[in-house]
Amino acid sequence: SQTIHQWPATLVQPVGSPLSLECTVEGTSNPNLYWYRQAAGRGLQLLFYSVGIGQISSEVPQNLSASRPQDRQFILSSKKLLLSDSGFYLCAWSAGLNTEAFFGQGTRLTVV
Amino acid sequence: DQQVKQNSPSLSVQEGRISILNCDYTNSMFDYFLWYKKYPAEGPTFLISISSIKDKNEDGRFTVFLNKSAKHLSLHIVPSQPGDSAVYFCAASASLNAGGTSYGKLTFGQGTILTVHP
Repeated sequence: SQTIHQWPATLVQPVGSPLSLECTVEGTSNPNLYWYRQAAGRGLQLLFYSVGIGQISSEVPQNLSASRPQDRQFILSSKKLLLSDSGFYLCAWSAGLNTEAFFGQGTRLTVV
Repeated sequence: DQQVKQNSPSLSVQEGRISILNCDYTNSMFDYFLWYKKYPAEGPTFLISISSIKDKNEDGRFTVFLNKSAKHLSLHIVPSQPGDSAVYFCAASASLNAGGTSYGKLTFGQGTILTVHP
């Protein structure tokens, strides 16, 4: 069966520090991968998606970047965090079109 | 531009009764719709989905209805149980968009907090 792992679960970082969140998927190959963010009291906003190694598409302009160095690994990064980067970050995968996406447990990022 | 809207921030229901969660969308390219359940500090869990070629899909206590002409979908939970208390998100995707394939990207509503009282 397929599983998705995301870590760390919580993170407190000072403004201006770098960020690296990692997500890995097991039990499937060539998944579509996604990074979402849930701001307080709001829905989930798509930040990045990837349909293959090295292929990254950004949905919104922001202070973050994403990379996919391996087929089942998706990394969310920042060189210098801003206070506005605080939120709940979720990694997800899907098998393709018109199918459900499966989410990781999320990372609560607090920038102080 | 909020393409998927859940206009009810919260819903309170008595155990055993029906819960009806509503969702509206504006993008006529959406052709696949999903409902997710989410507990605090956890990732969303997939509940049920429906393709635009159908108007109803049922899975146990959960039924999703789609009204394409009204661009409206709803999730019915019957009977409601206290364990159903959570935030419910509707989501939509389009097989194609103006730029070609949408790659299964999901657009989410803001969520509805469901509380089921014993």
